[in-house]
Amino acid sequence: GDSVTQMEGPVTLSEEAFLTINCTYTATGYPSLFWYVQYPGEGLQLLLKATKADDKGSNKGFEATYRKETTSFHLEKGSVQVSDSAVYFCALRFDTGRRALTFGSGTRLQVQP
Amino acid sequence: DAGITQSPRHKVTETGTPVTLRCHQTENHRYMYWYRQDPGHGLRLIHYSYGVKDTDKGEVSDGYSVSRSKTEDFLLTLESATSSQTSVYFCAIGTSGQETQYFGPGTRLLVL
Repeated sequence: GDSVTQMEGPVTLSEEAFLTINCTYTATGYPSLFWYVQYPGEGLQLLLKATKADDKGSNKGFEATYRKETTSFHLEKGSVQVSDSAVYFCALRFDTGRRALTFGSGTRLQVQP
Repeated sequence: DAGITQSPRHKVTETGTPVTLRCHQTENHRYMYWYRQDPGHGLRLIHYSYGVKDTDKGEVSDGYSVSRSKTEDFLLTLESATSSQTSVYFCAIGTSGQETQYFGPGTRLLVL
């Protein structure tokens, strides 16, 4: 079946450091790809998405590019802030059928001042 | 923020008791989902609905049932709660176009 694999956390960075969170997927076909973020005690919020190969999603300084060749959708940010501390989830979804999200296990990011 | 609420937000119950969680939306979205979140597993789909009275199972549906008698409400029932159902439950909604799914704030359930 379809699956998403994320790098293990937690990831601990100093403020203004560069962030990369790796995400790879296995799927039959070409899904849409997403990054969701969960702040402490809250639900999930969509951070960014890409719907086809070579698309780049971006939001709030975060970016991710849909790489069909490597089945990857790595999340990057050039300079993290303390307020970016959260859990980040990579997910895929097909645009037909049940349209449900398949999530990775999540990566906790902690940014220190 | 999308108009989606969950109730209760927190619940403690005992093994063997029935539990019903409610998801309510004011967006008139067609699709509704129940996920559970557990450490090391991310979120996993329990059940989903694609319209009033139209529901189907997800990957972890054993021990759960759902009902949707109105567009705005999607109920998740644990017929006889077990400790393995201790989790955080999230409801999500989406349109047919599914530009994105919007998540509720979650329900934290503890089964003793």
